[in-house]
Amino acid sequence: SQTIHQWPATLVQPVGSPLSLECTVEGTSNPNLYWYRQAAGRGLQLLFYSVGIGQISSEVPQNLSASRPQDRQFILSSKKLLLSDSGFYLCAWSGGNSPLHFGNGTRLTVT
Amino acid sequence: GNSVTQMEGPVTLSEEAFLTINCTYTATGYPSLFWYVQYPGEGLQLLLKATKADDKGSNKGFEATYRKETTSFHLEKGSVQVSDSAVYFCALITREELIFGTGTRLQVFP
Repeated sequence: SQTIHQWPATLVQPVGSPLSLECTVEGTSNPNLYWYRQAAGRGLQLLFYSVGIGQISSEVPQNLSASRPQDRQFILSSKKLLLSDSGFYLCAWSGGNSPLHFGNGTRLTVT
Repeated sequence: GNSVTQMEGPVTLSEEAFLTINCTYTATGYPSLFWYVQYPGEGLQLLLKATKADDKGSNKGFEATYRKETTSFHLEKGSVQVSDSAVYFCALITREELIFGTGTRLQVFP
């Protein structure tokens, strides 16, 4: 069966520090991969999605970036965090038109 | 364009009350419709789905019927429990995109 792993679960980082969140999927090949952010009290905002290795689409301008170095690995990064980057980050995968399956999320607090 | 509109929360209910969370959509073509649930501090879990008109998705006592004539996919449960307290997201998938509603927080009190 397919599983998705996302880490770390929580992270506290100072403003201006770098960020790296990792997400891996097991049990499937060539998944579509997604990074969402959920700000406190708000809905989901799609940040990036990827349909294949090295293929990244960005939905919103920001100081975050994403990379997909391997088929089942999706990384969310930043060179310098802002206070406004605080939130709950969710990785997800899907196969074509199938539903999304989410990781457990990373709660990021930028201080 | 495609969109999903959910009723704003929070929805506050007593245990064993009847629940309805409204969801309407706008889409070209024939989307698949989903409800996701997010328990406190966790990621989203797929709750139920419907892939064509008149389909009824059900899971854990929750139901939703894909109504093409009213472009709706309302979530219902006959008797809620405290453990149902969570945020519920309506979503649609077309060939081009995946769209989530803004989420509705449900609070159930004993």
